Amino acid sequence: DQQVKQNSPSLSVQEGRISILNCDYTNSMFDYFLWYKKYPAEGPTFLISISSIKDKNEDGRFTVFLNKSAKHLSLHIVPSQPGDSAVYFCAATTGKLIFGQGTTLQVKP
Amino acid sequence: DTGVSQDPRHKITKRGQNVTFRCDPISEHNRLYWYRQTLGQGPEFLTYFQNEAQLEKSRLLSDRFSAERPKGSFSTLEIQRTEQGDSAMYLCASSLAGPFGTNEQFFGPGTRLTVL
Repeated sequence: DQQVKQNSPSLSVQEGRISILNCDYTNSMFDYFLWYKKYPAEGPTFLISISSIKDKNEDGRFTVFLNKSAKHLSLHIVPSQPGDSAVYFCAATTGKLIFGQGTTLQVKP
Repeated sequence: DTGVSQDPRHKITKRGQNVTFRCDPISEHNRLYWYRQTLGQGPEFLTYFQNEAQLEKSRLLSDRFSAERPKGSFSTLEIQRTEQGDSAMYLCASSLAGPFGTNEQFFGPGTRLTVL
């Protein structure tokens, strides 16, 4: 059973525009959500997180939104840069991390 | 370098051989996790330790897999009688749990295992 789902395998965005990556989850017991970025042949790098008691967290160009009623979270990157091109994973936790399948973001110059 | 380190970075072995991977977490972190990632998927949880105690094991961790963290610092993951289906990236992560900790887990670069 896939408790965390990223339904878009890939996303292509023009440099300077907004990138929106989406994630859905099924387990209402998750109390913390995280986004990781991964380059080939490297481990995931932590980007930003949000507690289930909040609906928004912002860090520079990255903002995560949480809609608990819809069991949905999204990562907004504004403005997008070519260096943002990578695979993005959302993860949820009550201790161990449960990851989505990932979305490959390509930012075109 | 104060991040999570893993050794080796790559391992090629023949089916039926045993392999052992090592993970050195961030020094002040008390929790250490092992994950496995296959192509096109997100990392999947295998097991985790708080200090030297192994607190949870996934059903993915068959009896051919064993993990240890004997002194609550580095950890080893051993796979006995490797199978081709064991080919994957094995990721280690660490975190600080407790009143001054956070939920963020920090990952090492991974060990890429190829079983021929």
